[in-house]
Amino acid sequence: QITLKESGPTQVKPTQTLTLTCTFSGFSLSTIGMGVAWIRQPPGKALEWLALIYWDDDKRYRPSLRSRLTIAKDTSKNQVVLTLTNVDPVDTATYYCAHRRPAPYGGPFDYWGQGALVTVSS
Amino acid sequence: QSALTQPRSVSGSPGQSVTLSCTGTNSDIGGYNYVSWYQQYPGEAPKLLIYDVTKRPSGVPDRISGSKSGNTASLTISGLQVEDEADYYCCSFAGNYNFEVFGTGTKVTVL
Repeated sequence: QITLKESGPTQVKPTQTLTLTCTFSGFSLSTIGMGVAWIRQPPGKALEWLALIYWDDDKRYRPSLRSRLTIAKDTSKNQVVLTLTNVDPVDTATYYCAHRRPAPYGGPFDYWGQGALVTVSS
Repeated sequence: QSALTQPRSVSGSPGQSVTLSCTGTNSDIGGYNYVSWYQQYPGEAPKLLIYDVTKRPSGVPDRISGSKSGNTASLTISGLQVEDEADYYCCSFAGNYNFEVFGTGTKVTVL
C-alpha cells in the first residue's frame, strides 16, 4: 500500500523560501525506476507539474521555475523535499506530492498525497 | 511550457456518453504515447483514470476509455453516472526539457 503525505508551513511571506516535505511509505526511492513528483494547484485553477526526482537522483524541473526550485531525496527517511525560493502571492496553491509509476518515459502519477495548502501573504 | 487545451465544461444526462478532448502539439501529445487522465473531486487529490493513452489502472471501470489522434487525446465516459461529476485533467510527457504538462481541466456536469 503506497501512501504519501505532504507537510510544511501553511503560510509564508513574500520573498521567503518555502520548504515542503513529502513522507511516503510502501515503496523505496532506491528501487530502480521509482520517482516522486511535486505538483501544485492554485485555488480554482489547473494542476501544474513542478519537479520530479528519480531513484538515481536524476532531477527534472518545470523550465519556468527552474531557477527557484530544488528537489532532493532522503532515502533513509523515505522523504522528498521541495524548496521554492523567493515566493510570491502567485505561488499560493495546494502542493501535492505523487508517486510516479516506473516507466522508461512518461510514467503516470498513480498515487497522490492529500495535498498541503500554502498561502503566500504578508 | 503551455498547458494542454481542454474545454472548460462538458455536460450530459445519466446514461449518456461524453467525450473530453485534450489538445497539445507534436512536442507533447503528438510526439509520445504517454497521455494520462485524472479525475478530481472538490477538495480532494486527483485520481489516475487512464495512462499510456488507453490503459486503465485496476479498479477503474471499463466505461472509462482513452484514445489519441494526432495532437489530440480524448477521454470517453460511457453510461454517465452522477458520481462522474468532477474535474478532469489530461497530462502528457513533453520531452526531456518540458518533461510533463497538464491540461487546463474540464468540469463534467451530470444533468
